[in-house]
Amino acid sequence: GNSVTQMEGPVTLSEEAFLTINCTYTATGYPSLFWYVQYPGEGLQLLLKATKADDKGSNKGFEATYRKETTSFHLEKGSVQVSDSAVYFCALSLNSGYSTLTFGKGTMLLVSP
Amino acid sequence: KAGVTQTPRYLIKTRGQQVTLSCSPISGHRSVSWYQQTPGQGLQFLFEYFSETQRNKGNFPGRFSGRQFSNSRSEMNVSTLELGDSALYLCASSGDRINTGELFFGEGSRLTVL
Repeated sequence: GNSVTQMEGPVTLSEEAFLTINCTYTATGYPSLFWYVQYPGEGLQLLLKATKADDKGSNKGFEATYRKETTSFHLEKGSVQVSDSAVYFCALSLNSGYSTLTFGKGTMLLVSP
Repeated sequence: KAGVTQTPRYLIKTRGQQVTLSCSPISGHRSVSWYQQTPGQGLQFLFEYFSETQRNKGNFPGRFSGRQFSNSRSEMNVSTLELGDSALYLCASSGDRINTGELFFGEGSRLTVL
């Protein structure tokens, strides 16, 4: 079946530190890959996506590259801010025509000033 | 443009009762999906509706059901509530006929079963 594995959190960083959140996936077929973010008390928001191998998704200083050879989609940011504190979810969808996402369990990021 | 609206935001029920949750998608969106979020299991897909038809279903018991109306608003129902049904139920809408995975989520309905 399809699955997404993320590193467990919480990840605790100081402001301006470098961030990496690891994500690997298992899928039957060729998935699209996503990072969603959930701020406290809010629903999920799409952060970035990549639809094919070697694509790089980027948004708000965050980046992730679709690595088919390692089945990975690690999230990175060069300099985190306190406002980046949230839960980050890696997800995949198979282009089957259905709007169905398979999510990882989420990684909480806590950034201190 | 208004986002996805879910009601109620919070509710408390007792075991054995039933509950109905409502979701109004973004205007023009015809696909509505439901997810259950719990600390232990994370986010799990319940079902998806498109143009009033259920076109995909997750691995949940028959106590979980849903429907979609002609205006794309959706409801989900859970009957004979169990303690394990306590969760945040998230609704998401999409304007894509073909899946691109870009979903717009509401803030959720937090259900507590006592």
